[in-house]
Formats: sequence, structure tokens, C-alpha cells
Amino acid sequence: DAGVTQSPTHLIKTRGQQVTLRCSPKSGHDTVSWYQQALGQGPQFIFQYYEEEERQRGNFPDRFSGHQFPNYSSELNVNALLLGDSALYLCASSFGTGRRTEAFFGQGTRLTVV
Amino acid sequence: SQQGEEDPQALSIQEGENATMNCSYKTSINNLQWYRQNSGRGLVHLILIRSNEREKHSGRLRVTLDTSKKSSSLLITASRAADTASYFCATANRDDKIIFGKGTRLHILP
Repeated sequence: DAGVTQSPTHLIKTRGQQVTLRCSPKSGHDTVSWYQQALGQGPQFIFQYYEEEERQRGNFPDRFSGHQFPNYSSELNVNALLLGDSALYLCASSFGTGRRTEAFFGQGTRLTVV
Repeated sequence: SQQGEEDPQALSIQEGENATMNCSYKTSINNLQWYRQNSGRGLVHLILIRSNEREKHSGRLRVTLDTSKKSSSLLITASRAADTASYFCATANRDDKIIFGKGTRLHILP
């Protein structure tokens, strides 16, 4: 049973460019959340997708957008990249909402903006 | 914004000793979870404790939760070199939005 998979594992982009990160949830999971983790910090919640809709959003600008597909996989898009967007981006999947289930994380995508 | 705050920020102990990390949070929660992260990679789920539970065990891990004090502790007994990692507490609200603290960096000395 594959866990949460993210692609790519590493990415280097130039300031001002756009980037798309991908996440496949654990089998049986239908909810995907995205997090940004700066070096030495805890993960910061970006947003959560359930039933192909954004259900919750953290304190991130509109440059951060996402999508969830019918097969529950998800994409995170970041436009007009800034140097400060350099971070580890983590995807977490879980089952249902409000069911107090644990979240499983992927290995992350390391984004470097130069 | 951070919900949980771990204490201490960093901890170094001798192999074989017990390690205790604490977490405080601010708002009401549905559950609290502890995660481990090695070398800035993905987070590994360790244990989940629900808001109506006070203590939970999993192998060498023991977690307590005091909702009246809005605090939790993680105890790792008989520490090993492989336990060296960052440990995060994370709280989940009614909508399963999980908010992390800044973490405790644990270093096990040989």
C-alpha cells in the first residue's frame, strides 16, 4: 500500500516563475492538506482540499492556489515566486473530516527559489 | 500562525535515558498528535490522543494530555541514537485542520 507520494522531490525555480507541486494521497484517503515548512520551523498550514473543494485556508496569499482531482490527488500552484517561498512543501492526506483521524505525510518537495 | 509550542526547543541526552518534551496550545482541540521528522524530510506520525483521553502508550512512547492546562507531554523511554530527530506536536480542530508547533530538536548522545 503506497503511502503519500509527492513529486518532484527537489525543484529549483527562478524568482517570478510559477511552480506546480503534486501529491497522491494514501489509498483510501480523500482529504489532502498542504503545508509549507521553512528551515528550522514547524510546518505552516496552507490549505485543505476535500471533495475537490478548498475547505480551509491558512494565512497565505492568493499566489498560492490548489486543486483536487476526482481521484483525490492534488496540486499546489505558486505564482510569481519570491525568494521567501523557498521551503519544504509537505502534503498530508487523511480520511474524511471531523472524524479525528491521523494524517499521513509525504516526504515533501524541496523548493529553492533563486 | 502556530498553535502549539514545544518546550524545550532543543534537548540533548545520553543514549538510554528518557526524553520528555512538552507542548502547550491555545484553543480547544479535537485531538493532539505527535510527529517525528528526520533531517527536514517528511513527518512520521507517532501517536494521536483524543481530547477525551488523558494518557496513551505506544511502544517506548507515552503521551499525556491535560485539556484543562492545554498541554501535552511526550516521553520517550530508553532513548536510542535513532531517536535523534525533531519532534512536533500538532493540534486538530473540529474541521481536522492540523496546526503544528515549532518543534523540539532531540539529540541522543552515544
